[in-house]
Amino acid sequence: NAGVTQTPKFRILKIGQSMTLQCTQDMNHNYMYWYRQDPGMGLKLIYYSVGAGITDKGEVPNGYNVSRSTTEDFPLRLELAAPSQTSVYFCASSYVAGVANEQFFGPGTRLTVL
Amino acid sequence: DQQVKQNSPSLSVQEGRISILNCDYTNSMFDYFLWYKKYPAEGPTFLISISSIKDKNEDGRFTVFLNKSAKHLSLHIVPSQPGDSAVYFCAASGIGSEKLVFGKGMKLTVNP
Repeated sequence: NAGVTQTPKFRILKIGQSMTLQCTQDMNHNYMYWYRQDPGMGLKLIYYSVGAGITDKGEVPNGYNVSRSTTEDFPLRLELAAPSQTSVYFCASSYVAGVANEQFFGPGTRLTVL
Repeated sequence: DQQVKQNSPSLSVQEGRISILNCDYTNSMFDYFLWYKKYPAEGPTFLISISSIKDKNEDGRFTVFLNKSAKHLSLHIVPSQPGDSAVYFCAASGIGSEKLVFGKGMKLTVNP
């Protein structure tokens, strides 16, 4: 199993550009998540999905969109990139929620918006 | 409003000694707690967890203690090894919640 994979690893965007961060998991997990981590800060939840076709906002959803057309893929779309979106983005997945919500993380995408 | 707090940003210990990482939480609805370890340029990896019905969980060199009345948990690493040098995140989950709430993390440095 590859686990959770993310592409690209690094990206530099200009203000106003858009891009899609890709996330794929091969563990047949129902739940998938997108986080951002700013320097010296913890992980903040952007969006999450409890299954194909179902998505919901997290703590910091503004400026982002997601879709979940398959169990495996959970892309994160940035429209009109802003410097405030400079961050490291992590995708995660888990099999069950609630009592045993152990999430498995991808290696991250480091995004810089100039 | 930070629901999960790791008040010390860093800790430095000598190899072979004990490392104690602390975490406090404010939400009494949290019932499951996890510790994650993160190396630079990698994603966080799950380390150990504890349910609110327990006060201790042990896995090899790692032990997590939970004090519900104080809303406090701690991760003990004994003995500490240089490979333990990483950022450690405390996380919590509420009953039936799909989401984890993370602390800001603490950087542990284990010196040879």
